[in-house]
Amino acid sequence: DAKTTQPNSMESNEEEPVHLPCNHSTISGTDYIHWYRQLPSQGPEYVIHGLTSNVNNRMASLAIAEDRKSSTLILHRATLRDAAVYYCILRDGPGANSKLTFGKGITLSVRP
Amino acid sequence: KAGVTQTPRYLIKTRGQQVTLSCSPISGHRSVSWYQQTPGQGLQFLFEYFSETQRNKGNFPGRFSGRQFSNSRSEMNVSTLELGDSALYLCASSLSTGANEKLFFGSGTQLSVL
Repeated sequence: DAKTTQPNSMESNEEEPVHLPCNHSTISGTDYIHWYRQLPSQGPEYVIHGLTSNVNNRMASLAIAEDRKSSTLILHRATLRDAAVYYCILRDGPGANSKLTFGKGITLSVRP
Repeated sequence: KAGVTQTPRYLIKTRGQQVTLSCSPISGHRSVSWYQQTPGQGLQFLFEYFSETQRNKGNFPGRFSGRQFSNSRSEMNVSTLELGDSALYLCASSLSTGANEKLFFGSGTQLSVL
């Protein structure tokens, strides 16, 4: 699986936007970009995913660079509940494969 | 709609024993995958089942096995437990397989091996 690189940690203030970066320079044309987050003492939770175009849902937005070598997860107004480990994951396109390869993720802290 | 249910929530075993963990996927989901989470190794893929067939397997020894039933419920078994098997075991379900699918995770089973 292609590799992603994320900063180890990031801090934000409550009610401010947060931009979480992810580099994936070896991404292939059929790799989907997925984001999951894990709150303390819980299983991972799906956040958003996309292939080429930017995506929005009720939780977040995903901005994908034109060359697809990087992407940014945007939380529009951080809340204390958004403090979690965020994982950026690439998933192969062709074939039936639901495997997720998790890296270390980025730990987001939210200050009140 | 009920989420992914994993039982038991906590389990304590001793070395050499075997253990069976259970996972009930979201209704209508046909794919179930299992992950192991430890502080040292993070989240690692164990295996994936779809329509009662194992579709993919991670890099774990043969002591780790699983199966899926016709109602999509899944079990994983670990035989001859070792101290290093202490971990949070997570189950995830999705409607189908494929890179465009969202996975929904349960809260996990915390296994402690003494």
